[in-house]
Amino acid sequence: GESVGLHLPTLSVQEGDNSIINCAYSNSASDYFIWYKQESGKGPQFIIDIRSNMDKRQGQRVTVLLNKTVKHLSLQIAATQPGDSAVYFCAERWKAGTALIFGKGTTLSVSS
Amino acid sequence: EAQVTQNPRYLITVTGKKLTVTCSQNMNHEYMSWYRQDPGLGLRQIYYSMNVEVTDKGDVPEGYKVSRKEKRNFPLILESPSPNQTSLYFCASKQYGGNTGELFFGEGSRLTVL
Repeated sequence: GESVGLHLPTLSVQEGDNSIINCAYSNSASDYFIWYKQESGKGPQFIIDIRSNMDKRQGQRVTVLLNKTVKHLSLQIAATQPGDSAVYFCAERWKAGTALIFGKGTTLSVSS
Repeated sequence: EAQVTQNPRYLITVTGKKLTVTCSQNMNHEYMSWYRQDPGLGLRQIYYSMNVEVTDKGDVPEGYKVSRKEKRNFPLILESPSPNQTSLYFCASKQYGGNTGELFFGEGSRLTVL
């Protein structure tokens, strides 16, 4: 089946920089997308979500952008902090009531 | 505190010795699911349950069983574990339906099969 993928397995940034984590999805019918953060030794934690009828959504220091034309999802983290170091997963839902399909993850490393 | 609790968190076992990983959630969620996480493969769904007594296969169900006799519990059973089931396992739950798909994850159970 179709799956969500990520452009880069790792991303290294300096503290205070803005980070952009990218994700490409292949199912143009997907109606819902989520970003998760997974810290070492922990389960994934919800960061932010976006529906397919939106192209941008902002949270606290995070913004998710959805470009349905090229089937691309991105997570922007403003003023990245060492505590942001983690693996970030995007996930898509093909339609309401179906399971989330996860990408393989991008490891974000933030150096001081 | 709303949470998904898995036990055990760490387990080393031998091939063929039946084991059960328990999962319990206190959020009254209808939907529960098991995932395994392997390097380079991300999170893959093993089984899921829409509600009590309703279970279905995910992407990688071979070698696993589940049951959903109560709403809060969703144990994962490995009848005859094999080394290829060495992995990090996550249980997750969410409200079924509604406008969001947010899954709440447990802390994970790291299983090693020798």
